[in-house]
Amino acid sequence: EPEVTQTPSHQVTQMGQEVILRCVPISNHLYFYWYRQILGQKVEFLVSFYNNEISEKSEIFDDQFSVERPDGSNFTLKIRSTKLEDSAMYFCASRVGGGDEQFFGPGTRLTVL
Amino acid sequence: EDQVTQSPEALRLQEGESSSLNCSYTVSGLRGLFWYRQDPGKGPEFLFTLYSAGEEKEKERLKATLTKKESFLHITAPKPEDSATYLCAVKTSGSRLTFGEGTQLTVNP
Repeated sequence: EPEVTQTPSHQVTQMGQEVILRCVPISNHLYFYWYRQILGQKVEFLVSFYNNEISEKSEIFDDQFSVERPDGSNFTLKIRSTKLEDSAMYFCASRVGGGDEQFFGPGTRLTVL
Repeated sequence: EDQVTQSPEALRLQEGESSSLNCSYTVSGLRGLFWYRQDPGKGPEFLFTLYSAGEEKEKERLKATLTKKESFLHITAPKPEDSATYLCAVKTSGSRLTFGEGTQLTVNP
């Protein structure tokens, strides 16, 4: 069964460093998302992406964040200058064009020291 | 602002003891209510989508129902492998999902 994959599974970085989180969505899906979950808190929407542009973003997704689909398979989230409060699980999700269900990857645990 | 509240926060059941989880929502126009299962350290796993009051969906021991203000996830004769956190989410405008805090279910053998 097709799955969303994410790399790395765990990323440790120093405050102020740039990180790139990578995702490979399900191959025939057209809509892509990033969510995050701070430990013990709810899953929060960050951004949605369709047709090579951002279609929606939350208040969390400020100028420090960017997304890109550099080729036909990868979808990336970049955090330019990480802060301690960026420590969280980051989930990528994708959905097919005609459906509402979003399918999530296993997540990347980001730890900012 | 869309709000999703799940109760209880945690629920312990004995194997075979049926129960229900609640998801109440306050939104400005529901375009879908979603149930997900999340195991520790993993991503949410899609279970059901409901769109209109009165709708029901079933999968194995799980049944999801929807009213105009809330949704229930009924678990019939649960097994230890049903232990997980169950998340409710709503879609209103756009395609973002707004999640509740989840209900952590533990089923003891």
